[in-house]
Amino acid sequence: DARVTQTPRHKVTEMGQEVTMRCQPILGHNTVFWYRQTMMQGLELLAYFRNRAPLDDSGMPKDRFSAEMPDATLATLKIQPSEPRDSAVYFCASGLGTGGFSGANVLTFGAGSRLTVL
Amino acid sequence: GNSVTQMEGPVTLSEEAFLTINCTYTATGYPSLFWYVQYPGEGLQLLLKATKADDKGSNKGFEATYRKETTSFHLEKGSVQVSDSAVYFCALMDTGRRALTFGSGTRLQVQP
Repeated sequence: DARVTQTPRHKVTEMGQEVTMRCQPILGHNTVFWYRQTMMQGLELLAYFRNRAPLDDSGMPKDRFSAEMPDATLATLKIQPSEPRDSAVYFCASGLGTGGFSGANVLTFGAGSRLTVL
Repeated sequence: GNSVTQMEGPVTLSEEAFLTINCTYTATGYPSLFWYVQYPGEGLQLLLKATKADDKGSNKGFEATYRKETTSFHLEKGSVQVSDSAVYFCALMDTGRRALTFGSGTRLQVQP
């Protein structure tokens, strides 16, 4: 089965440190999403890309978060400096977005990166 | 903006009981609707979807019907199993933003 691969699965770090999470989308998928899951806020969309171009990052704190797609096989989410309130599970998802809207577009999620900032 | 509202959990049922998890939405236009399931320690998996009014999505004994008149997409299963214990998320994808908006999730616990 094709899958979305996320690393690291778990990360514990101290406040102020830089954190980088990586995602390998499914080969051939051209849309990539970053979501954050917390008990209080549920699943929040942070950013998403189509054909490696950022389409929407309005859900992301701009002062400390950045998301990039250096190439079609890698998406990164970076937090610098990290804070305890960033502790969450970060999910990457990929899909195949066509030029015209297709309601059948389905996202495949990775297993997530659990971040704990002390 | 778009929003999805799900019933509060946890929902606790005995094996073979009937399941309903309510989901209503607010969106402009004609969104597609989804149910995702999350097992402990795992990512979200698509359970079923419906792309237009009156469509019924179904998978693994679960069903949900897209009701435009009531803006609802309730999840049902006739006979739950212990292995169905998980968190269920209702979600929509609108025609403009093309990103999923999720509900808060409903935890289902099925007891033997």
